[in-house]
Amino acid sequence: AQSVTQPDIHITVSEGASLELRCNYSYGATPYLFWYVQSPGQGLQLLLKYFSGDTLVQGIKGFEAEFKRSQSSFNLRKPSVHWSDAAEYFCAVGADYKLSFGAGTTVTVRA
Amino acid sequence: DTGVSQDPRHKITKRGQNVTFRCDPISEHNRLYWYRQTLGQGPEFLTYFQNEAQLEKSRLLSDRFSAERPKGSFSTLEIQRTEQGDSAMYLCASSLGDSANTGELFFGEGSRLTVL
Repeated sequence: AQSVTQPDIHITVSEGASLELRCNYSYGATPYLFWYVQSPGQGLQLLLKYFSGDTLVQGIKGFEAEFKRSQSSFNLRKPSVHWSDAAEYFCAVGADYKLSFGAGTTVTVRA
Repeated sequence: DTGVSQDPRHKITKRGQNVTFRCDPISEHNRLYWYRQTLGQGPEFLTYFQNEAQLEKSRLLSDRFSAERPKGSFSTLEIQRTEQGDSAMYLCASSLGDSANTGELFFGEGSRLTVL
């Protein structure tokens, strides 16, 4: 069965600084991988997805993620964080007709 | 608005009562999912439908939980004899798919259940 681990429960970053969120997955075949963001009181919104091809994928709001098969990782990055990026971020693996999510990483942005 | 809608957004009930949540997916989507999310956790899969057929149920879905999608459009999730441990956010999502490869899920804003 597939699973996702997000090692960092909470990250605090200064506005304008870079951000990297870690995601490790476990799945026997080539996975479909996703990053979602959840702001307080809002639904889950897709940031980006990886199905195949180029291992560096671009998403919305200036986010990107890199798929590394050798490390079973799909880390999310943003070069310069804005205060509006404060939210909870979830990595997910798609397989067997459903998505399996990690526990999430809460991002706090300080001025 | 043509996104996934859920109703009610918040339900407070007493232990032992039954509750029902409704989800209206994006109209052309053939797959509909229910997830549960508790504080500090990611969404946990409960069940999913392909059109009107319920094809998988998680072990999390005890016999007090039942879900239906009678005409392949909207879906309901009913919890009977609620317990305090049922307090959570119940998320509905929909997608368009015809294989085991799971594409993007579109989520509603959720129905928050509080059991007193």
